[in-house]
Amino acid sequence: EIVLTQSPATLSLSPGERATLSCRASQSVSSYLAWYQQKPGQSPRLLIYDASNRATGIPVRFSGSGSGTDFTLTISSLEPEDFAVYYCQQRSIWPPITFGQGTRLEIK
Amino acid sequence: EVQLVESGGGLVQPGGSLRLSCAASGFSFSSYWMSWVRQAPGKGLEWVANIKQDGSDKYYVDSVKGRFTISRDNAKNSLYLQMNSLRAEDTAVYFCARVPDAANIWFDPWGQGTLVMVSS
Repeated sequence: EIVLTQSPATLSLSPGERATLSCRASQSVSSYLAWYQQKPGQSPRLLIYDASNRATGIPVRFSGSGSGTDFTLTISSLEPEDFAVYYCQQRSIWPPITFGQGTRLEIK
Repeated sequence: EVQLVESGGGLVQPGGSLRLSCAASGFSFSSYWMSWVRQAPGKGLEWVANIKQDGSDKYYVDSVKGRFTISRDNAKNSLYLQMNSLRAEDTAVYFCARVPDAANIWFDPWGQGTLVMVSS
């Protein structure tokens, strides 16, 4: 089973700042990594698939990069609605499909 | 508009059974893999099961194998999760989600979820 480790657990930033979230895989997942955003009381929303492809309707301030075992989700300039929990997910070797434990992005 | 609406959650005793449903609309349901993903209270996301377009292939996380069964009815645009021998650790919000295909497994969109509570 591929384990995904996200860091930091919590990130405290202000609107307008740049956010960098990390996801590390226990073994190579090539570029088969996705990112999701989940706001309180809501279901997750797909942001990025295959490491760097933005899903339909996702603002350009969200970008993904990486391959192999190290991946990054970057939010170039934080908007108030971006404060949420972010999860990474791999599809390289499954079952099982696995998620990271999440990074909470909170307002500083 | 693509929409997924789950139902069937509730309170059940340990060892009991529950059947979740997911009604799909706004897309060609029979053309997509479908999945169930769950989230325990205050916890992260856990993939539960996948099913192929025609129902011929099904995959499960080890913790539910032999207890849960994923199925679908393409004529009714519906996805199901039959949950038997429920345990306290199955308590979670269960989401259904659309998957493009077996080679492109990401979840988009997700339903609003249905809460399953296993407690005596």
